[in-house]
Amino acid sequence: DADVTQTPRNRITKTGKRIMLECSQTKGHDRMYWYRQDPGLGLRLIYYSFDVKDINKGEISDGYSVSRQAQAKFSLSLESAIPNQTALYFCATSDPGVGAGTGELFFGEGSRLTVL
Amino acid sequence: AQSVTQLDSQVPVFEEAPVELRCNYSSSVSVYLFWYVQYPNQGLQLLLKYLSGSTLVKGINGFEAEFNKSQTSFHLRKPSVHISDTAEYFCAVTLKAAGNKLTFGGGTRVLVKP
Repeated sequence: DADVTQTPRNRITKTGKRIMLECSQTKGHDRMYWYRQDPGLGLRLIYYSFDVKDINKGEISDGYSVSRQAQAKFSLSLESAIPNQTALYFCATSDPGVGAGTGELFFGEGSRLTVL
Repeated sequence: AQSVTQLDSQVPVFEEAPVELRCNYSSSVSVYLFWYVQYPNQGLQLLLKYLSGSTLVKGINGFEAEFNKSQTSFHLRKPSVHISDTAEYFCAVTLKAAGNKLTFGGGTRVLVKP
């Protein structure tokens, strides 16, 4: 079983609908992240959480919200989906490592969202 | 804020030939540097990282990268590629105090031809 699991893997929805992407991990990491991937733009950070009580906006948080339900669960919501939110979304986790910023990210397999 | 530029969006290469993927970053403070690989329909996985010390970093699957502080570059190389190296490669940077908040480049798609 994957250490970082994302559901659903694929979703097609309509403009204006609410959609939730869920992420769960068995790595025991405190830090979790949501990124979106667009062709030619790489991955951009939407939100991140360094522990259950800590939620922070990334560079492209507008139109998104998150919930950290437990150490192992971090969900991303689109309250009213729009077509330019069509993208591949990745959840990732990390361990702080020795000093901040030294740990690698562990990614889920991605959730492909299409907004019509 | 830091930024990452991958100079080639696509790199076609023949099997057993060498490949170099270029990455330049901009930051006024010290950074950590990473290369990730994304195989088709999969998430990203770490190839290698530079934290400190030797500027030549060796990673998995025969890849290596060289950190050049004066040129703010972190180019990835492999002397002989295999068909299985067909994938998209991402360079990423984080400030040493940023707590794993990586900034990614736009990616380089490598297509290995037989």
